[in-house]
Amino acid sequence: DQQVKQNSPSLSVQEGRISILNCDYTNSMFDYFLWYKKYPAEGPTFLISISSIKDKNEDGRFTVFLNKSAKHLSLHIVPSQPGDSAVYFCAASARGNTPLVFGKGTRLSVIA
Amino acid sequence: DAGVIQSPRHEVTEMGQEVTLRCKPISGHNSLFWYRQTMMRGLELLIYFNNNVPIDDSGMPEDRFSAKMPNASFSTLKIQPSEPRDSAVYFCASSLRAGTGNTIYFGEGSWLTVV
Repeated sequence: DQQVKQNSPSLSVQEGRISILNCDYTNSMFDYFLWYKKYPAEGPTFLISISSIKDKNEDGRFTVFLNKSAKHLSLHIVPSQPGDSAVYFCAASARGNTPLVFGKGTRLSVIA
Repeated sequence: DAGVIQSPRHEVTEMGQEVTLRCKPISGHNSLFWYRQTMMRGLELLIYFNNNVPIDDSGMPEDRFSAKMPNASFSTLKIQPSEPRDSAVYFCASSLRAGTGNTIYFGEGSWLTVV
């Protein structure tokens, strides 16, 4: 059973508008969450993270929101740019020496 | 700084052949991970090492898969014999250590096609 779920395989957004990518998790032991971005033929690269002691973390056009009671996090990109078109992976880790668990990814297409 | 280095980038092999994928982690990183990406399952963890010791290999799909880390700067993932369903992108990644607060860094992947 998937512990990290990204229920939308794809998303299309117009350039300049907001992109919202969603992620749900089931393991209440997760306390650190990350978003990775992946371009074709490249490895995933780290984008932004959030600790469970926070509910928001912002870095330029990227903001991650965490709702612990709902076990839900989201990535907001505003304004969206064509270069943001990629696959976005949500990932989580639990306390202790455990590795990241990834969702299946959401393919974002930003249309000019 | 050099990132995680994987080889080969692309491999096409015939069913039944042995495949060896190689990885050099970032210097100073103590944890190394092998992930596999497929359309159906996304990014799934196959095995990870801490300080060269395999910690969890429960993600390794079958006995045909094996991984080693003989030293801190080198790891291999071997498939013997290979099958068409093993076709996927295999990523190696490393981090200072596994667990909370540690970002992992991926290589560019090894694209495996078994025909």
